[in-house]
Amino acid sequence: QSALTQPASVSGSPGQSITISCTGTSSDIGLYDLVSWYQQFPGKAPKLIIYEVSKWPSGITDRFSGSKSGTTASLTISGLQPEDEADYFCCSLADNRVVFGGGTKLYVL
Amino acid sequence: QVQLVESGGGVVQPGRSLRLSCEASKFNFNLFGMHWVRQAPGKGLEWVAVIWFDETKTYYADSVKGRFTISRDNSKNTLYLHMTNLRPDDSAVYYCARGGVQLWIPDFWGQGSLVTVSS
Repeated sequence: QSALTQPASVSGSPGQSITISCTGTSSDIGLYDLVSWYQQFPGKAPKLIIYEVSKWPSGITDRFSGSKSGTTASLTISGLQPEDEADYFCCSLADNRVVFGGGTKLYVL
Repeated sequence: QVQLVESGGGVVQPGRSLRLSCEASKFNFNLFGMHWVRQAPGKGLEWVAVIWFDETKTYYADSVKGRFTISRDNSKNTLYLHMTNLRPDDSAVYYCARGGVQLWIPDFWGQGSLVTVSS
């Protein structure tokens, strides 16, 4: 069981927007603004797409956006594209350790 | 672009030891903390350990504490993970990742090294 809770899967059509939630506790997401999100394709390493809740690393499209409210963080992908189909993981600092969500498979139908 | 290349994975029997290496290049390795993160086949990401840029601090996941040791050699731009008393549930792809400007957020990741613990 992962420390952070994500839906197993979400789906959307090209051009639509989807949101992936990531629920933690007052000891991780609720305590630190150090939430990050990663995109992972099969057989590949994770890629950082959002850090510190809502910031973009260099070269990442602004179609990805992040937010946080209380103990829940969210990743929104707008203008869905077929190439967005991948696994997405949230991540947070928690008491001198890093915790991940179980991952969400995004299907672009 | 940051490069991280893991090596040392393979098949090992339960109870045995293995050391993974991660060679870093194209950034100032001695200025960044480093992480190990693993992923069992078909599963999610599990953080393993972190080491400060100057080796002064290390932290571990409860699942590996006392069995795994993270270390680094800044003169060789290399990160290590020494794994002892391996168990079948340690089987995973092991990634090294750079702690970014904010140490606790891994930013760049290597391609991973597969460790299989099986008799």
